[in-house]
Amino acid sequence: DTGVSQDPRHKITKRGQNVTFRCDPISEHNRLYWYRQTLGQGPEFLTYFQNEAQLEKSRLLSDRFSAERPKGSFSTLEIQRTEQGDSAMYLCASSTGLAGANSYNEQFFGPGTRLTVL
Amino acid sequence: AQRVTQPEKLLSVFKGAPVELKCNYSYSGSPELFWYVQYSRQRLQLLLRHISRESIKGFTADLNKGETSFHLKKPFAQEEDSAMYYCALRGGTSYGKLTFGQGTILTVHP
Repeated sequence: DTGVSQDPRHKITKRGQNVTFRCDPISEHNRLYWYRQTLGQGPEFLTYFQNEAQLEKSRLLSDRFSAERPKGSFSTLEIQRTEQGDSAMYLCASSTGLAGANSYNEQFFGPGTRLTVL
Repeated sequence: AQRVTQPEKLLSVFKGAPVELKCNYSYSGSPELFWYVQYSRQRLQLLLRHISRESIKGFTADLNKGETSFHLKKPFAQEEDSAMYYCALRGGTSYGKLTFGQGTILTVHP
């Protein structure tokens, strides 16, 4: 499978614990996005990477959330001191796109990581 | 601020009937509009984008800037069209960040 992969697919944790999710984009894609989707809602943008640079962050991304893409390949999203309100599906997407180019190229989505905070 | 509204959470039609999924948007500049679809147990995937002006799986969508709408239409619905449909917007100054609507679950009955 050469699509976007995410690990784990499901995570159950207790309130106050830290969790980390991983996203592996399609290999030639230099843009990577994180979205969060709560029940009954569409995906909401969290953050965007162009190669290893984090270029945009949503106000939804509180200081408990941090994302990295250290080598411009895979990315991790960490949530510290989880709260019940963090329970959601976390989606990763990737696309091609030239650095600095204000353009849209089709985003390919991963299967998501479903987080449940007890 | 940019916003996408899909007024119908659920839409049911019979096979062969026309279907229209509504999408309205709010954005001060010139947006790009998209329809994404998620079939059961599958990933979210792009169905069509307004600048392509193409028909995918019999679906079309026309951007109406006057009414700020981007409704998705198909003249004859098929059972395999049953899915969750999301309308999405990209603002002109973003790198590709998408703003999604709440989604509409389309069920096509035999």
